[in-house]
Amino acid sequence: QKEVEQDPGPLSVPEGAIVSLNCTYSNSAFQYFMWYRQYSRKGPELLMYTYSSGNKEDGRFTAQVDKSSKYISLFIRDSQPSDSATYLCAIYNTDKLIFGTGTRLQVFP
Amino acid sequence: GAVVSQHPSWVICKSGTSVKIECRSLDFQATTMFWYRQFPKQSLMLMATSNEGSKATYEQGVEKDKFLINHASLTLSTLTVTSAHPEDSSFYICSGAGGFQETQYFGPGTRLLVL
Repeated sequence: QKEVEQDPGPLSVPEGAIVSLNCTYSNSAFQYFMWYRQYSRKGPELLMYTYSSGNKEDGRFTAQVDKSSKYISLFIRDSQPSDSATYLCAIYNTDKLIFGTGTRLQVFP
Repeated sequence: GAVVSQHPSWVICKSGTSVKIECRSLDFQATTMFWYRQFPKQSLMLMATSNEGSKATYEQGVEKDKFLINHASLTLSTLTVTSAHPEDSSFYICSGAGGFQETQYFGPGTRLLVL
């Protein structure tokens, strides 16, 4: 079983939609959870960082961690065409980041 | 957020040559730097971790004699792909971390094409 699993998509939504991106992980000991956004041919950009369980909100973005089900989510409200990118979840394990495969999101006008 | 630069942004070379990629943290001191490789439509795969002044730690399956990493200062790390072959063609991305290794800031990546 992979340590982090993520549906690769692609996910295509109309502008203004609420987007839900999800990952599952295997080890209940993981504590640090991140979401990165990567535009085509660019390096990843850190969007959200969550420690342990709960929600964290930053503008149109909300990160949610459910440790009981080992499930992490990123919600994007009022999605914009500029949100079109690949979104990678990542978990910090001991001394390195473990990335999901990334979900490709396309927001069309 | 913290800024990491990479140079060059893309490079084309002949098979058998060596290529050096620089990674710099511009506005913070990166005590640890990481090198990743990303193939098309795949996720980032960690190649190695380096701490300033120490030898790099390589992930399983990564040839340390082929991918030479130097982390000479708190703001500069280099990756040298020695005797590059077409299968080394990939997108190489570095990241830097300061005090908290779980928070990494990524460079823009270097696209390597070996002919």
